[in-house]
Amino acid sequence: SQTIHQWPATLVQPVGSPLSLECTVEGTSNPNLYWYRQAAGRGLQLLFYSVGIGQISSEVPQNLSASRPQDRQFILSSKKLLLSDSGFYLCAWSLRGNPDTQYFGPGTRLTVL
Amino acid sequence: GQQLNQSPQSMFIQEGEDVSMNCTSSSIFNTWLWYKQDPGEGPVLLIALYKAGELTSNGRLTAQFGITRKDSFLNISASIPSDVGIYFCAGQTSNSGYALNFGKGTSLLVTP
Repeated sequence: SQTIHQWPATLVQPVGSPLSLECTVEGTSNPNLYWYRQAAGRGLQLLFYSVGIGQISSEVPQNLSASRPQDRQFILSSKKLLLSDSGFYLCAWSLRGNPDTQYFGPGTRLTVL
Repeated sequence: GQQLNQSPQSMFIQEGEDVSMNCTSSSIFNTWLWYKQDPGEGPVLLIALYKAGELTSNGRLTAQFGITRKDSFLNISASIPSDVGIYFCAGQTSNSGYALNFGKGTSLLVTP
């Protein structure tokens, strides 16, 4: 069966510091991978998605970037965090060619102070 | 993304009661999904619907893809305390690309 991991689970960072969140998927090959942010109002917003190694698409302009160095690894980064970057970050995967059914990881709670 | 209207916003019920929540949209959806999210955790997929009129069950949960393709409902029968959480509808239209459109969630509280 497939599993998806995210770390760290929680993170507190000062404004202006860098960020690196990691997501890995097990039990499947060539997945689509996604980064969402969930703000306090509960809505989930797609930030980035990837259909393959090195292929990144951004859904919204922002202070963040994503990379996919390996087939089942997806990384969310920032060079300088803003207060507004605080939130709950969720990684998700779907089968290649089937983006309409997405499975989420446990999430990372980021607090920027 | 497409606007999804999810209702009710919250429900406070007694254990054993049945629950019903729904999502509507002004756009036609190709897929409807229902997720449950516990505090501090990621959403867990409960039911996925792919065809208009489709009715699918998962234990005490039943969901349907509306005939018009613009709505879906989720029913929970004989609720138990562990049903507590936030339930989200989500789906894709032909214009969604890779993004899932999410409702704002229904917060369910169950008292013993």
